[in-house]
Amino acid sequence: ETGVTQTPRHLVMGMTNKKSLKCEQHLGHNAMYWYKQSAKKPLELMFVYSLEERVENNSVPSRFSPECPNSSHLFLHLHTLQPEDSALYLCASSPTSGRVYEQYFGPGTRLTVT
Amino acid sequence: GENVEQHPSTLSVQEGDSAVIKCTYSDSASNYFPWYKQELGKGPQLIIDIRSNVGEKKDQRIAVTLNKTAKHFSLHITETQPEDSAVYFCAASPEGGYQKVTFGTGTKLQVIP
Repeated sequence: ETGVTQTPRHLVMGMTNKKSLKCEQHLGHNAMYWYKQSAKKPLELMFVYSLEERVENNSVPSRFSPECPNSSHLFLHLHTLQPEDSALYLCASSPTSGRVYEQYFGPGTRLTVT
Repeated sequence: GENVEQHPSTLSVQEGDSAVIKCTYSDSASNYFPWYKQELGKGPQLIIDIRSNVGEKKDQRIAVTLNKTAKHFSLHITETQPEDSAVYFCAASPEGGYQKVTFGTGTKLQVIP
């Protein structure tokens, strides 16, 4: 257990569905991250939140919408996704956004878009 | 931006042998190099890191080396065990303030009992 939990662990959705991924950290960290992990590709940073404020939006399509209601919770809202969005979505947290190297990752949500 | 290349993509070794994974980076501003281990069904976990003012660092059976002039760094695992089987990622990052970590593409290590 890393102190970062993600739900659901697996999700299958159609291209017209709307769903949300949830991440919760129990480490008292102030920064949270969403990453996309696709086969044979490096981890792609999607969003960074520091003290509930978004500090990075890495050219992610608008069909992905993050939300950080407090420093312990992070959501990724999904709508009208494409099959190429199928991947493992990882959440991570770190003490501050300046200490990104001290990231703790959750187990990920395996997303399949049909 | 930073580009990190990692080799090999897959590696099989006999239990007890050593394993070496190599990475190169492009941005001379990078000065922090972490290594992550990702087991099946889990997220990446930091196992060791090295900073640019250090050439080598060891932690029990794992060690990392860094050649800043050549812009490459390596992970060495000695006396491999079946539980070392996982995907290993290298990464590079500049430190100070908010900075992104650029990851390699991963090496799937299989330790054969």
